[in-house]
Amino acid sequence: DTEVTQTPKHLVMGMTNKKSLKCEQHMGHRAMYWYKQKAKKPPELMFVYSYEKLSINESVPSRFSPECPNSSLLNLHLHALQPEDSALYLCASSQDSGSHEQYFGPGTRLTVT
Amino acid sequence: GQSLEQPSEVTAVEGAIVQINCTYQTSGFYGLSWYQQHDGGAPTFLSYNALDGLEETGRFSSFLSRSDSYGYLLLQELQMKDSASYFCAVSPNNAGNMLTFGGGTRLMVKP
Repeated sequence: DTEVTQTPKHLVMGMTNKKSLKCEQHMGHRAMYWYKQKAKKPPELMFVYSYEKLSINESVPSRFSPECPNSSLLNLHLHALQPEDSALYLCASSQDSGSHEQYFGPGTRLTVT
Repeated sequence: GQSLEQPSEVTAVEGAIVQINCTYQTSGFYGLSWYQQHDGGAPTFLSYNALDGLEETGRFSSFLSRSDSYGYLLLQELQMKDSASYFCAVSPNNAGNMLTFGGGTRLMVKP
């Protein structure tokens, strides 16, 4: 199994809503990532988890809150988002924090109204 | 910080060879990766160079010159399915997995 899955595929939420994005991998990878990608732009790293501990937080606003319940799961909790947060949110994983090959999920297309 | 430059668009015909260049300026350098992303799809890893020279994987090859802060992706025997965006990405010294992506090159393959 070389797949990273993400749910939901699409999400529309209001600025006062609270929602969560979910990511799962069963490759035994010990590093997991959240990226944000705007249309026609490259992915931008948001968070890195290594062995279930947050190792990198790229100055992301607190309205984005990551969580790694176990080595296979990664969540991104969303609260009080702004319309400019609308984007594709990609999850990725790699064997460990030293691995250069990352496996990406299909993403969640988020629209904030 | 890191900055990467790559052409925004390249057009080529089926069966041709195309080279996508990437120049980078980084405060630290661990390696250069290449990813492919089809419209509406997820980025897919293509190749990685940590040392100078050419890495070949089937129709795709990647080259790195650390002294020139330059790399390229070479695609041979182009097929229509190669139409996609291609991103170079650097990893800084202290975290090989902390990728910063270039702006991406949109490759259009024509019949």
